[in-house]
Amino acid sequence: GAGVSQSPSNKVTEKGKDVELRCDPISGHTALYWYRQSLGQGLEFLIYFQGNSAPDKSGLPSDRFSAERTGGSVSTLTIQRTQQEDSAVYLCASSLVARFSSQPQHFGDGTRLSIL
Amino acid sequence: DQQVKQNSPSLSVQEGRISILNCDYTNSMFDYFLWYKKYPAEGPTFLISISSIKDKNEDGRFTVFLNKSAKHLSLHIVPSQPGDSAVYFCAAKTSGTYKYIFGTGTRLKVLA
Repeated sequence: GAGVSQSPSNKVTEKGKDVELRCDPISGHTALYWYRQSLGQGLEFLIYFQGNSAPDKSGLPSDRFSAERTGGSVSTLTIQRTQQEDSAVYLCASSLVARFSSQPQHFGDGTRLSIL
Repeated sequence: DQQVKQNSPSLSVQEGRISILNCDYTNSMFDYFLWYKKYPAEGPTFLISISSIKDKNEDGRFTVFLNKSAKHLSLHIVPSQPGDSAVYFCAAKTSGTYKYIFGTGTRLKVLA
């Protein structure tokens, strides 16, 4: 489809396991964001990619979290040694160049991550 | 430090009446504001935006008002419809940056 695609839509895993979440942005969108929404909370910024520039990782909550974006398109968010507090909906969004123009973000439907 | 606040977690409105959702911010450098609507199990979808050079932007049933001196924006939905029932997030950013700051959302329920 033409929208942002995220997979899997749901992931249940045991504490201590590693998980990998995938985001396929809208074609042509150079900006890609990852957010986390915990129960009853707003959207928490995690990481931002823009073209070939170094990503802004300032929102990653710990060194167990990492993300990469290959070829300026698909992105994966990896959480190592998952903890129960990592349970949340992880949302990916993409937009046209964001820095000096105001472009709304287009979100995927998210991955609901549950850590047992 | 919550720079964007939506102090009402929920709101119920009768179908056909006006829904007013509020958002306050603390950072005077914010100059672009957006509203998103989110249905359960879906990602947020963009509704309407406003830049700080305006105080009002209208799109169909949706109008956003910006009061810069009060650091307050509101989203008006007239007339409200049952399909408008969703969680509404406001977000803000500063031009020259890419980071959007989101509020915690307001759950709107439109009663038929």
